[in-house]
Amino acid sequence: QKEVEQNSGPLSVPEGAIASLNCTYSDRGSQSFFWYRQYSGKSPELIMFIYSNGDKEDGRFTAQLNKASQYVSLLIRDSQPSDSATYLCAVDDGQNFVFGPGTRLSVLP
Amino acid sequence: DADVTQTPRNRITKTGKRIMLECSQTKGHDRMYWYRQDPGLGLRLIYYSFDVKDINKGEISDGYSVSRQAQAKFSLSLESAIPNQTALYFCATSDSGTGVETQYFGPGTRLLVL
Repeated sequence: QKEVEQNSGPLSVPEGAIASLNCTYSDRGSQSFFWYRQYSGKSPELIMFIYSNGDKEDGRFTAQLNKASQYVSLLIRDSQPSDSATYLCAVDDGQNFVFGPGTRLSVLP
Repeated sequence: DADVTQTPRNRITKTGKRIMLECSQTKGHDRMYWYRQDPGLGLRLIYYSFDVKDINKGEISDGYSVSRQAQAKFSLSLESAIPNQTALYFCATSDSGTGVETQYFGPGTRLLVL
């Protein structure tokens, strides 16, 4: 069974710090990788996606992909209390998305 | 108006009752999905449809059925609800014509089965 794993957290960081969220996946044939943010009781919102090895930056967010290690991460720079949410990693295996359980991030003022 | 809508937003029902959750989208996407979310388990795929005549079972389809009435509408039915179907249900859509296919989610339906 294809799996996507994340540390459930909570991950606590002080305001202004860098938050680092990690995700590993089991299917080497996976094509694209997504990070979603989900506030409590709300629907997942897309933050960004990545499909090539290396880094991809979008504002305060940087996604990093290492296909050889089957590892994808999300860095949030200058973390704000409004970043406090659950972050879901999703992997497109070419047929469907497989979601990780999410990491709960808490940014402390 | 929201691109992906779900009705109802909240529902309380009793064991054995039939219930339908509805999803509509104005994004023009061809693909639609139903997920359920339980604490600690993430999002799990129930059913998905790549076009009006295509319906596929996901990871956890037992106890559920779906209907794709039109490109814009995808309904999920619980024929005889049971308490362990209490969960948050999300509809999602995607466009197969894009280079990197991204899923967009509706606001969710919170279902409680007593």
